[in-house]
Amino acid sequence: DARVTQTPRDKVTEMGQEVTMRCQPILGHNTVFWYRQTMMQGLELLAYFRNRAPLDDSGMPKDRFSAEMPDATLATLKIQPSEPRDSAVYFCASAPLSAGANNEQFFGPGTRLTVL
Amino acid sequence: DAKTTQPNSMESNEEEPVHLPCNHSTISGTDYIHWYRQLPSQGPEYVIHGLTSNVNNRMASLAIAEDRKSSTLILHRATLRDAAVYYCILRGGRGGSNYKLTFGKGTLLTVNP
Repeated sequence: DARVTQTPRDKVTEMGQEVTMRCQPILGHNTVFWYRQTMMQGLELLAYFRNRAPLDDSGMPKDRFSAEMPDATLATLKIQPSEPRDSAVYFCASAPLSAGANNEQFFGPGTRLTVL
Repeated sequence: DAKTTQPNSMESNEEEPVHLPCNHSTISGTDYIHWYRQLPSQGPEYVIHGLTSNVNNRMASLAIAEDRKSSTLILHRATLRDAAVYYCILRGGRGGSNYKLTFGKGTLLTVNP
């Protein structure tokens, strides 16, 4: 049963520390998304990759957030320095590329980040 | 992005059908209607999607109005496991924005035993 995996599942850190969240997309999926969920804002798209290239990161605060795909099996989301307002659940999703691009996105279980 | 409107919450009894409505009066001709749900403490999961015709799959049915300005997600027999937030989302059928899922607040479905 192919699934998106995310690590860590929970992270508690102090303000100012660097946080790295990792995602392993489903094998063969070449589009990867990062979403953030908070009570106030709900689910919002942060960034999107296709074939490891960033295509849209307009939802991401550029000064402290960075997203990369070092290889096809790993996507990372880094926050440096972290702030209490970054506390949220961060979801990674992957999808296969198809001509219609109207395909299902498969979500991971999320990383719950708490910044004190 | 075209907007969707859903009730904040709905309640159902176990084993009964549930009809979850969604209004999307500004839908464009190429927008697909997608439904995702999010169970407690989990990531969203795909439920169903359609363009013009009604659709059925193992999880649910999607009934789309003839003018496409509204749709209804139908769970034929609700179970306790169906308690979740259900999101109705429009995705562009062409152009660069068709990858995006723009989540609203969704409908919180409570299923009573």
